[in-house]
Formats: sequence, structure tokens, C-alpha cells
Amino acid sequence: QVQLQESGPGLVKPSETLSLICTVSGGSISSSSYYWGWIRQPPGKRLEWIGSIYYSGSTYYNPSLKSRLTISVDTSKNQFSLKLSSVTAADTAVYYCARQAIISYAVDIWGQGTMVTVSS
Amino acid sequence: DIQMTQSPSTLSASVGDRVTITCRASQSISNWLAWYQLKPGKAPKLLIYKASSLESGVPSRFSGSGSGTEFTLTISSLQPDDFATYYCQQFNTYSITFGQGTRLEIK
Repeated sequence: QVQLQESGPGLVKPSETLSLICTVSGGSISSSSYYWGWIRQPPGKRLEWIGSIYYSGSTYYNPSLKSRLTISVDTSKNQFSLKLSSVTAADTAVYYCARQAIISYAVDIWGQGTMVTVSS
Repeated sequence: DIQMTQSPSTLSASVGDRVTITCRASQSISNWLAWYQLKPGKAPKLLIYKASSLESGVPSRFSGSGSGTEFTLTISSLQPDDFATYYCQQFNTYSITFGQGTRLEIK
């Protein structure tokens, strides 16, 4: 079955760029049935959608993060990635990568999540 | 942004109880609503999509209903594995937001 795995640094300094990669296994990222996205949960707060990408490269982003955000896809590696620039402590969160079904826009598969702390 | 408000924030119940969680949207979202179960250290789990469709493999004691702005998740007979935090999520014009979560705890 399809599995998602996040990877990247667990600690990022303020003002730097947070970079994460999600590796898709057990299925193709080039499926026409899904978007691939990122969701985060700051400690003690609700889940927050970050943005999503289609295998063709088309994206849609959370407007509150759009100015700092880049999500890209590498179909040859079956991976997609997140870059969030100029981070602050408010970006400290568990970051999940996710598969989002187009027929429902629900996230049917989630990664296990990775904790990213922004601190000097 | 569409705001999603869940109630209650915390719910205490016993094994075998029937429980209902409500999610209200700040404007109509038709039936573009999903429900998830979160447990610490585990990947979140999709329970219900398009307001009332049961995700494959999810026990039938979970059900969802509603449309427009008001939605409910019902667990017909609580099992020990159901004690977790539940979130609703809406999709509208390429924007997604979540409710604040409902923590279901053992009474």
C-alpha cells in the first residue's frame, strides 16, 4: 500500500528556510487521482493546511503562508518537497505530508509526521 | 477563510456510549467535509469523507451526516480504541481549514 515518509532537519534557525521532503512508496506520485500536500500542527494548536501540488506541478497554497512557501514535485524520484522561508518560532510544529484524493479533497494517507523546531 | 468550529472541545464518555461531535462552518461548504482521528505518535486516520461516506476499512460504528454549514460525527458504541482526538476539515475553492479538535476521553 502507499506510504509517505517525511525527511529533513528537526531544528531550523530563525530567519532561515525550513526544507522537508516527502518520499512516496508503494505507488506513483504521477497518479491523476491525487494531490500531494503538507499539513502542520503547532504544539497545542489545531491542524493547519500548508499547501498542495499536483504531479504536473500546479499548486495551491494557504494564503497566510503563500509569500514564504514553495512546494515542488520530482516525479523521477517519487518525491515532493516543502520550502518555507524566513521562519520564526511560530513555525515550530509537527509537519505531515499527505495524499489528498481529488474526488473528495480529503487526506486519505498521511505520513507519520516530523517535528520541526525553530530555535537559535 | 472559512472558519470551522467544533463542539465540544472535550468529551468524556464510557465504553459502549453513543457520542456525537458537531462541526459548524462559517459559510456553506456543500458536503466537502472530512473527519479524522488523531492519536499521539501515529499517522492521522481518515474516517469520513464528503460528509457521510465511510472510508474503506473504518468500522461501521463511525458515521457522518450533514451538509451546508452543520455536520456531525457519531460513534454508535464507543470502543477502547476510539479514545483519541477528532478533527473536521473543509475544502472550498482550493482552500482547506480544520476545526480546533475534540478530545474524546474516558470517563
